[in-house]
Amino acid sequence: DIQMTQSPSSLSASVGDRVTVTCQANYDIRKYLNWYQQKPGKAPNLLIYDASNLETGVPSRFSGSGSGTDFTLIISSLQPEDIATYYCQQYDNVPITFGQGTRLDIK
Amino acid sequence: QVQLQESGPGLVKPSETLSLTCTVSGGSISGYYWSWIRQPPGKGLEWIGYVYYKGSTQYNPSVKRRVTISVHTSKNQFSLKLSSVTAADTAVYFCARGVVVPGAIGVIMGGFDYWGQGSLVTVSS
Repeated sequence: DIQMTQSPSSLSASVGDRVTVTCQANYDIRKYLNWYQQKPGKAPNLLIYDASNLETGVPSRFSGSGSGTDFTLIISSLQPEDIATYYCQQYDNVPITFGQGTRLDIK
Repeated sequence: QVQLQESGPGLVKPSETLSLTCTVSGGSISGYYWSWIRQPPGKGLEWIGYVYYKGSTQYNPSVKRRVTISVHTSKNQFSLKLSSVTAADTAVYFCARGVVVPGAIGVIMGGFDYWGQGSLVTVSS
């Protein structure tokens, strides 16, 4: 299985801050990486697909980059509604695997 | 707007079979991959497996010996059966649509663009 490791596991930031979450694969997954946002009690929501493409309807303050083994999710200016847990997910190989999640809250 | 809805028992006894159905509305089953993903309370996401609309399947090795995912095209539904459950199978079970993307050979499943709200299944006697 391809292991996906996110960092940090949790972080606190202030409204307006630039927030960076990283995801590292233990194998080259090319660009086959997606990012999700999950709010408590809700299903995950697709934010970024193919490492850097913004899903329709997702605010432009979210962006993704990377390829191979190292990927980054950036929130350019944190808003209160961005409080959630964020997951990366690879689909280069079966089984599909997710990172362990990054919990983001407001400082 | 595509909507997915899980249905099935919320309580299953140990050693029995967990059965869930996902009903798709606002769109067709055809043309997509359909997955089950679970999340134990307070923990992360685990992909269980998928069924392609044509009927082919892939499963996570962690549950492969116990799982069957089927598609029921005429009903616009797909289903999950997980046998010999234990307390470790207690989780919120999500159904989700997998997008079709180009692969090295043919197509593969990419991200999950529509999800059900989730169904909590507890394994307990």
